[in-house]
Amino acid sequence: DAMVIQNPRYQVTQFGKPVTLSCSQTLNHNVMYWYQQKSSQAPKLLFHYYDKDFNNEADTPDNFQSRRPNTSFCFLDIRSPGLGDAAMYLCATSRAAGGNTDTQYFGPGTRLTVL
Amino acid sequence: TQLLEQSPQFLSIQEGENLTVYCNSSSVFSSLQWYRQEPGEGPVLLVTVVTGGEVKKLKRLTFQFGDARKDSSLHITAAQPGDTGLYLCAKAGRGAQKLVFGQGTRLTINP
Repeated sequence: DAMVIQNPRYQVTQFGKPVTLSCSQTLNHNVMYWYQQKSSQAPKLLFHYYDKDFNNEADTPDNFQSRRPNTSFCFLDIRSPGLGDAAMYLCATSRAAGGNTDTQYFGPGTRLTVL
Repeated sequence: TQLLEQSPQFLSIQEGENLTVYCNSSSVFSSLQWYRQEPGEGPVLLVTVVTGGEVKKLKRLTFQFGDARKDSSLHITAAQPGDTGLYLCAKAGRGAQKLVFGQGTRLTINP
């Protein structure tokens, strides 16, 4: 029944050790997003894919990269995690129907711990 | 720059009480969304308001969009422990595909 699936739900990595977070969707939506959410803060958009077009936010560090090999999957790669990268990472999708604000469907998130 | 201001940031009340949380902006927005995020989960859309002065009801939740489309409120009647969560308002960013979130109101309903 799950529509936006994130794996793993909890990820522990070491300082500087690359890590990849995974997101898949069964909605066939053309837009996929990655957000970073730190404790007691709002989600912060890192980047999004509109189909195959990658859209990076201006303040997203180069340490964060993303791949979208097909419509259903999107990955977040953190090349050299620092302690400040510990956060909840949320994946979301939308259909980009046009007009007013699209509805975004969020996954349950991956909580990343950096030791 | 914080484009959406939510207040209060934290609210803890007893079951059965009523409450209102607010979302304000200095600029007009075309539409506004409210999300609820439970601990350990992603945000879930509650409602989208589009027209100035619009009121939408979702069971015990009442959402209002200000006449000038610069503010919105969420009123909960007879709050229950299941209403506990982080309530986020969001507006379209640059392009309908992007959302800008307020910092959220963390609501705790005590039994």
